[in-house]
Amino acid sequence: DIQMTQSPSTLSASVGDRVTITCRASQTISSWLAWYQQKPGKAPKLLVYRASGLESGVPSRFSGSASGTEFTLTITSLQPDDFATYYCQQYNTLPWTFGQGTKVDIK
Amino acid sequence: QVQLVQSGGEVRKPGASVKVSCKASGYSFDSYGITWVRLVPGQGLEWMGWISAYNGDTDYAQKLQGRVTLTTDTSTNTAYMELRSLRSGDTAVYYCARATDMPTIKMELRYWGQGTLVTVSS
Repeated sequence: DIQMTQSPSTLSASVGDRVTITCRASQTISSWLAWYQQKPGKAPKLLVYRASGLESGVPSRFSGSASGTEFTLTITSLQPDDFATYYCQQYNTLPWTFGQGTKVDIK
Repeated sequence: QVQLVQSGGEVRKPGASVKVSCKASGYSFDSYGITWVRLVPGQGLEWMGWISAYNGDTDYAQKLQGRVTLTTDTSTNTAYMELRSLRSGDTAVYYCARATDMPTIKMELRYWGQGTLVTVSS
């Protein structure tokens, strides 16, 4: 199985901060990586697909990038609505696997 | 619009089974697959398995092999997840999501059900 190692597990930040979350795959997954945002009591929401494609309706302060097997989600200016948990997921190979999650909370 | 509507919350005793449904609408059901993901309290998202509504192919997470079965009913556009021999660690919110019908065709999880809370308690 492909392991997805996500860091950090928690991140304390303030409104307006630039935030970066990293996910590393244990083997090559090409660009088949997605980022999701999840809030308590809600289903995960797709933010980024194919490593850097911004999902329709998602604010442009979110962006994704890739370098080999390392993937990054960046939020350029954190907004109050962005405090949530973020997950990466590889969909290159079954079984599809998620990172452990990054909880972004208020500093 | 694409919608996935799941059945309501369930409470089961350890050792029992549960079957959660996921009714799809707004798209051609047998042109896609369904994947199941759970969120265990205090833990992250865990991928459980996938089924093709096109040909019934399945793939399961190794840790759940032998306890989970995914099925679809194309006459009612409904997918089902059955989990047997329940234990307290299976207490979680279970989600279905629309997926690819063939693993060689890569697809992100764009549409999700609302989630079903399954509580396992004696």
